[in-house]
Parts: sequence; C-alpha cells; structure tokens
Amino acid sequence: AQSVAQPEDQVNVAEGNPLTVKCTYSVSGNPYLFWYVQYPNRGLQFLLKYITGDNLVKGSYGFEAEFNKSQTSFHLKKPSALVSDSALYFCAVRGRGGGNKLTFGTGTQLKVEL
Amino acid sequence: EPEVTQTPSHQVTQMGQEVILRCVPISNHLYFYWYRQILGQKVEFLVSFYNNEISEKSEIFDDQFSVERPDGSNFTLKIRSTKLEDSAMYFCASSPRQPPEQFFGPGTRLTVL
Repeated sequence: AQSVAQPEDQVNVAEGNPLTVKCTYSVSGNPYLFWYVQYPNRGLQFLLKYITGDNLVKGSYGFEAEFNKSQTSFHLKKPSALVSDSALYFCAVRGRGGGNKLTFGTGTQLKVEL
Repeated sequence: EPEVTQTPSHQVTQMGQEVILRCVPISNHLYFYWYRQILGQKVEFLVSFYNNEISEKSEIFDDQFSVERPDGSNFTLKIRSTKLEDSAMYFCASSPRQPPEQFFGPGTRLTVL
C-alpha cells in the first residue's frame, strides 16, 4: 500500500525567507511524486511532479522539490517566500505498478508573515 | 488555459436522497477521477474511469456510488441514498493521454442534513 506523511500541520515563515514543507512517502518500487496547493474554497492546483531524471524538480510560482530516494522524501522548497504563498500544501504519491490513484498526505498549512 | 469544471459548487440534500455531481474534464483528457475531502481531513481517492469503465475504486466507493460519462464531455458521480457521512468536498480530476499528473476541478461541497 502506498502512503504519504507530512509531519508538520503548519509551517510559519517570514516573507523573504526560504521555506521548506516536508514530505516522506512509502510505495512499492519507484514513485511518481506530486505537490498540490489548495487556497481557501478552491480546488487543488498542481505545482510540480517528479517522474524520473534530475532529483531537483522545478515547478510553478518559484517552487521546487528535491527527490531523495534513500530517505524516501520529496520536500517542497522555495528560496524566498511570499505572503501570497500562504495556503494548504499537499504531497501525493502514485506507484508505477498500475492504477492511477493518488494517495495524499494530510496537508501542511503554510503561513507566510510580513 | 483549459480547466476542469464542476457543478454545482454547493449542494445541500436530505439524508436518503439521491445526488448527482457533475464534472466537465479537460477536453482532450482520457482518464477521469473522483476524490473526496471530508472537512479537515486529507483528500481520498474514490474511483478512476477510463475507456468507459471503472479502472480502479476504493473501499469507500460502495454500491451507493456510481459514475457515468453520459456524453463526450460530462463525467458524473451519483450517490444513490446519501448518508450524513457523505458530507464532504468532492473533487473531479482528469489526466491527459499519458498520466500521471491529474488536474483537479474546484470541487462540489456536499452537505447532507
């Protein structure tokens, strides 16, 4: 069975500072990994994905994520946070063995303050 | 940019009633999904649909649930007899020819009274 852990319910960071939102996963074989963002009363917006290749993946709005196979992690990062980045962030995993379902983590609320 | 759309945005129903949630996936996508998110909880997979049949479903997707693609554009989720615990945000998603990323709609908030 596949699973995702997001150990922090909330991350607070000052605007302009770097941010990291943590994610670890469990899946059989090599994973597909994703980050989605959810703004209040909105749907899930795709940010970035890891399929294969370079472990550092770049996505929308200046976000990036680093795939670490040995640590089974896929942490989301941004060098300089903006107040507008404040939202709920979900990490998701999908195995390659067939089936398309995404398994999501519980989400991390990011709060960027002035 | 093409988007997945869902209607209605909010549906209120009485326990035991049937509801149909509607989705219009992105036009050239071939894989369709429903997920739900109970308030304050994580997003959970319900069902995936490809080539006019269910390709995968979760244990949540019991006989009370059904999906249909009645025409070339709509994708629907029907709950035959709603229960209080069906209250949640329901998200539709679609994927292009080559998964894996899925693009989500804005959701329908279902409230069962």
